[in-house]
Amino acid sequence: KNEVEQSPQNLTAQEGEFITINCSYSVGISALHWLQQHPGGGIVSLFMLSSGKKKHGRLIATINIQEKHSSLHITASHPRDSAVYICAVNSMEYGNKLVFGAGTILRVKS
Amino acid sequence: DTAVSQTPKYLVTQMGNDKSIKCEQNLGHDTMYWYKQDSKKFLKIMFSYNNKELIINETVPNRFSPKSPDKAHLNLHINSLELGDSAVYFCASSQAPLNEQFFGPGTRLTVL
Repeated sequence: KNEVEQSPQNLTAQEGEFITINCSYSVGISALHWLQQHPGGGIVSLFMLSSGKKKHGRLIATINIQEKHSSLHITASHPRDSAVYICAVNSMEYGNKLVFGAGTILRVKS
Repeated sequence: DTAVSQTPKYLVTQMGNDKSIKCEQNLGHDTMYWYKQDSKKFLKIMFSYNNKELIINETVPNRFSPKSPDKAHLNLHINSLELGDSAVYFCASSQAPLNEQFFGPGTRLTVL
């Protein structure tokens, strides 16, 4: 079992829908990251958080340290949001290295 | 103005060859990383350097050797390439080990 689990693995949404991607982890962490990987392959950091909530445009990330859970929300989804969304944690048990989830493949249809 | 750049973008080679992938960052960051993304798109860290010192060295074959000539560069040299080395290799950098990371565009290595 991976230390970082994401759900769902695949998600198809209609343009305009509100989207939630979940991430649960089983290790102590220093921080949690949400990354986006586009079909072209490039990886972009969306958020890094260790508590509470962060917002950037239509993207919102929340984390609950006690429950070891984070969510990434996309409001008013658009086809250009189609990508793989990856959750990763700086694992204190592993010298703070980044441990990655398997990713959630999101497809937004117009 | 690319922040983290990698060369080459694509690398096709025969089994048994030795190859290098280069990474450069112009962000003034102190920490650099190499990641491997396998065919199932799963990312795993390989190495991390902070101020040119190795701080993370995962269980990778010793055919893989990172070299950091200065803080802006982290190169990956691979000896005696094997079929299983085929993957996309990403370089990344951050201000410090626990900061947001910036990724390079990736190098797709195919070993025939």
